[in-house]
Amino acid sequence: GAVVSQHPSWVICKSGTSVKIECRSLDFQATTMFWYRQFPKQSLMLMATSNEGSKATYEQGVEKDKFLINHASLTLSTLTVTSAHPEDSSFYICSASLRGGGRLDEQFFGPGTRLTVL
Amino acid sequence: GNSVTQMEGPVTLSEEAFLTINCTYTATGYPSLFWYVQYPGEGLQLLLKATKADDKGSNKGFEATYRKETTSFHLEKGSVQVSDSAVYFCALNNAGNMLTFGGGTRLMVKP
Repeated sequence: GAVVSQHPSWVICKSGTSVKIECRSLDFQATTMFWYRQFPKQSLMLMATSNEGSKATYEQGVEKDKFLINHASLTLSTLTVTSAHPEDSSFYICSASLRGGGRLDEQFFGPGTRLTVL
Repeated sequence: GNSVTQMEGPVTLSEEAFLTINCTYTATGYPSLFWYVQYPGEGLQLLLKATKADDKGSNKGFEATYRKETTSFHLEKGSVQVSDSAVYFCALNNAGNMLTFGGGTRLMVKP
């Protein structure tokens, strides 16, 4: 149980285009979903926290107009990278927290999406 | 604020060697502590966790003990295998459900 999927797993796009990444909790309802960015050989950087039905909370330094997050249901959150540029190339990972919240709740991670912007 | 510090890698070991990856943290209150593992090209998988002082998390031969007096959560395994080669992240969760990650430690196990 507690499986999180991401789609696509790998995407290449041209500079200036927008890319949408989906994150789904397959067998549970996720109160909260998180979006991380990981540069090669580095740790995960939290970009934003997404709660179903409300606006996402972005971390300092993350452009909310650049990285649009929508959490339309308890099982789906999307990250749209708008007007992508080569510096946006990265590994994007989402995670989902079981309904109920609280520090004891485990986050379940998706397999990641590798974005390459040409 | 919260922070997690891990030993820098890469750590290179021969198969069946003993593994220790150090992790120390800074946090107020009583955080939960986690070790995650990331295999090449994949997302993170929870390896083990501990939610209070002196708890020992264990899984797949790995173990870590929550030491509040030294604010540490070192990861250990008695005999590593080639298949353990991956990046290991120490993390904490404090007041809410946001994780703070360490920088990650790459483990390479040679046959």
